[in-house]
Amino acid sequence: DAGVTQTPRHEVAEKGQTIILKCEPVSGHNDLFWYRQTKIQGLELLSYFRSKSLMEDGGAFKDRFKAEMLNSSFSTLKIQPTEPKDSAVYLCASSYRNYAEQFFGPGTRLTVL
Amino acid sequence: GQQVQQSPTSLVLQEGENAELQCNFSTSLNSMQWFYQRPGGSLISVFYNPSGTKQSGRLTSTTVIKERRSSLHISSSQITDSGTYLCAMEQQQGTGSKLSFGKGAKLTVSP
Repeated sequence: DAGVTQTPRHEVAEKGQTIILKCEPVSGHNDLFWYRQTKIQGLELLSYFRSKSLMEDGGAFKDRFKAEMLNSSFSTLKIQPTEPKDSAVYLCASSYRNYAEQFFGPGTRLTVL
Repeated sequence: GQQVQQSPTSLVLQEGENAELQCNFSTSLNSMQWFYQRPGGSLISVFYNPSGTKQSGRLTSTTVIKERRSSLHISSSQITDSGTYLCAMEQQQGTGSKLSFGKGAKLTVSP
């Protein structure tokens, strides 16, 4: 059974560009999460979907970050426009339900010049 | 403030020594999870441990929900255990739940 997959694995963008990161959760999982990881801030939750419905919209990340889940097996995270401070690893995770183990994808390393 | 406090933040061991990593939570939680991460790698779930003690090989996790703490014990450490160990607490979030992470504990095991 495939785990969580993310593409691309690496992305380099110029400041002001729009980038779209993709995630496929584990088949059958109902919850999907987007996180950002930096050395300074650690892991921060960006968005959270339950059965394709947005439960958490990212608070401080709302203005330039938009996550969507078009179907139960695919999600995107759009950053528009990108800024150098967005350079980080973006991780996608899924779980069967709440209060259940979360499984993470390999991440996308984003560098904004 | 930080809801999840991990200690120590870094630890250096000789191969064969034991390690004890601690996680303390400032608020009530429903469950918690331990993860392992290599540099540049993703998070690998080590334990999902709502409460009590769980063991997997040389790793043992003990969570005491009422006391808002969890520990990860690594016995007879090996060089391949090197990496960062993160704990995360699961809290109610609306009708669902979310994980809040600690900053991680960097473990280095040398020959």
